[in-house]
This record gives sequence, C-alpha cells and structure tokens, in this order.
Amino acid sequence: DIQLTQSPSSLSASVGDRVTITCRASQAIDTYLAWFQQRPGKAPKSLIYAASNLLSGVPSKFSGSGSGTDFTLTINNLQPEDFATYYCLQYSSYPFTFGPGTKVDI
Amino acid sequence: QVQLVESGGGVVQPGTSLRLSCEASGFTFSKFAMHWVRQAPGKGLEWVTVISFGGRNKFYIDSVKGRFTISRDNSKNTLYLQMNSLRPDDTAVYYCARRPEGSTFDMWGPGTMVIVSS
Repeated sequence: DIQLTQSPSSLSASVGDRVTITCRASQAIDTYLAWFQQRPGKAPKSLIYAASNLLSGVPSKFSGSGSGTDFTLTINNLQPEDFATYYCLQYSSYPFTFGPGTKVDI
Repeated sequence: QVQLVESGGGVVQPGTSLRLSCEASGFTFSKFAMHWVRQAPGKGLEWVTVISFGGRNKFYIDSVKGRFTISRDNSKNTLYLQMNSLRPDDTAVYYCARRPEGSTFDMWGPGTMVIVSS
C-alpha cells in the first residue's frame, strides 16, 4: 500500500497569512493526488485533484503543486473559514490512502 | 438538488451486522464510481471501498475484506454497504462519495455514525 505523510501535523497562523502544507508519498504516484478540507463536525470538502487542478467553485487562493512523491498545498490570505484540517489523498492505486492530516488553527 | 445522503447508522453490538445506504439525487448516479470513506472519532479519514459505475468492480481495504460488501442499485440511485461481523474498531462516521472519471471525490454525503459497542 502507498503511504502518505503530511507535514506539519499542525500549524498556527493568522488571518491574512500564507501557509504551505506538504504531502509525501512512499512511492511515485504521478499526479494522482488530491486535497481536502474538513471543518469540525462536517464532511470533507474537495479542493484539488490531479495535484494542481481546482475543483469547480474552489477559490483561487488554494493552489497545489507537485508530482511523483512530493506535493504541496498552499493557501493564500487565510480567512477564518480556512481554519480547518487538510488531508491529501492518493488515488494512483487501490487501496486509496489519505495522509494523516494537517490542522491549521489560529 | 444534487446530493448524497447516507442512512442506516446506529449503535450495535460486536459481531452483529448493519447495512448503510447512500441515496443519490440530482445527477445520473449510474455514471459514477462510488466510494465509502470512514472516520473514527478524533481520527483521520480512511478509504474503505469502491464500486465501479456498473457494479462489476469492487475493491476493499484489508481490514474489512470478507466482512463488508459494497453494492449498488442504479435503478434506485442507491449505494449500499453491508457490514457484517462488526468490531469496535469499525466505529466511525461513514461517508459516501462520488468520484468522476479522471478526477477525485467531488461530492460527499453528510455521513452516518456507526458505533460498535457492547
């Protein structure tokens, strides 16, 4: 199975900040990498697929990059609604696997 | 309204069974592969299983193989998860999610809680 690690596991930021989260795969997955946001008590929200493509309706403040084993999610101009936990997902092969998550708080 | 809605969760004893449902509306259900993802209390997301749009192909994580069965009824726009021999570590919120070809999950249900406890 492909393992994903995320760093940092948590970070503190302020409104208006720019933050970057890293996701690393245990083997190459091309660009079969997605990012999700989850607020407490809510279902995940899909943000990015194919490493860098925003899903419909996702604001351009979110961006993703990477291929192979190393990927990043960048969030610009943090707003109160962006404080949440972010997960990466590899969908290169089954079983799909999620990263352990990165909690972004104030 | 385009949405997924899960149902069927509850509190059950170890060793028993439960069937979850996920009703789709507002889109052509039969054109999408469908997945179940779960989240144990206070933990991260865990992918569980997938079924292809026609129902022929299915994959599972090892921890549920032989105990869980995913199925779908495209005439009823409904996805199912039959869970047998439930264990306490199956306790989680179970989400169904839609995945378009060539993309990732683009729609999630609100989830249904399953608690396995004696």
